[in-house]
Amino acid sequence: GENVEQHPSTLSVQEGDSAVIKCTYSDSASNYFPWYKQELGKRPQLIIDIRSNVGEKKDQRIAVTLNKTAKHFSLHITETQPEDSAVYFCAAKGYGGSQGNLIFGKGTKLSVKP
Amino acid sequence: DAGVIQSPRHEVTEMGQEVTLRCKPISGHDYLFWYRQTMMRGLELLIYFNNNVPIDDSGMPEDRFSAKMPNASFSTLKIQPSEPRDSAVYFCASSLGLAGYNEQFFGPGTRLTVL
Repeated sequence: GENVEQHPSTLSVQEGDSAVIKCTYSDSASNYFPWYKQELGKRPQLIIDIRSNVGEKKDQRIAVTLNKTAKHFSLHITETQPEDSAVYFCAAKGYGGSQGNLIFGKGTKLSVKP
Repeated sequence: DAGVIQSPRHEVTEMGQEVTLRCKPISGHDYLFWYRQTMMRGLELLIYFNNNVPIDDSGMPEDRFSAKMPNASFSTLKIQPSEPRDSAVYFCASSLGLAGYNEQFFGPGTRLTVL
């Protein structure tokens, strides 16, 4: 089945700097890769997603890139702000026995220091 | 729409007791997921349903856990008997259309503490 590895587990940046979170997946058939943001004590919420027919997608200060050959994808946050502080989860669409569901990475705790 | 609704929001119980968590998905959504979140293991999928039918329960940790979806607007996750290691936040999520291609909307979660 699908396996998703996420790095780093914690990330601390200064306000205004960029933050990059990387994920790798194991199943080359996976074709959908969402990113969820979870603020402290809140529920995970989708912030951006990318499908395998696209190499990059941007939405204001956030962007996601996908390298299908290397089987990895990354979240980029530019001009970070304190409200970006949260746990970020990457995910990949499962196949085989887990067909139809999302396999999540372990999460990255991002801290943005003012 | 009120979004995915879960109850209770917090549950404290003693080891050996039965615990029932409840979820109401977003109206019209045909997929429902139960997740467990802990610091050590992150966000784990326990089971998911499509049109009220369980599709994949390979994430259910053991026989003490069971889940049902008697109709399109209600699901339960039951733990019997509960153990301290079951302490976690349990999320229910729902999506419209093929799982994995459509956004999963999460509920607020139930924080379970087993003493």
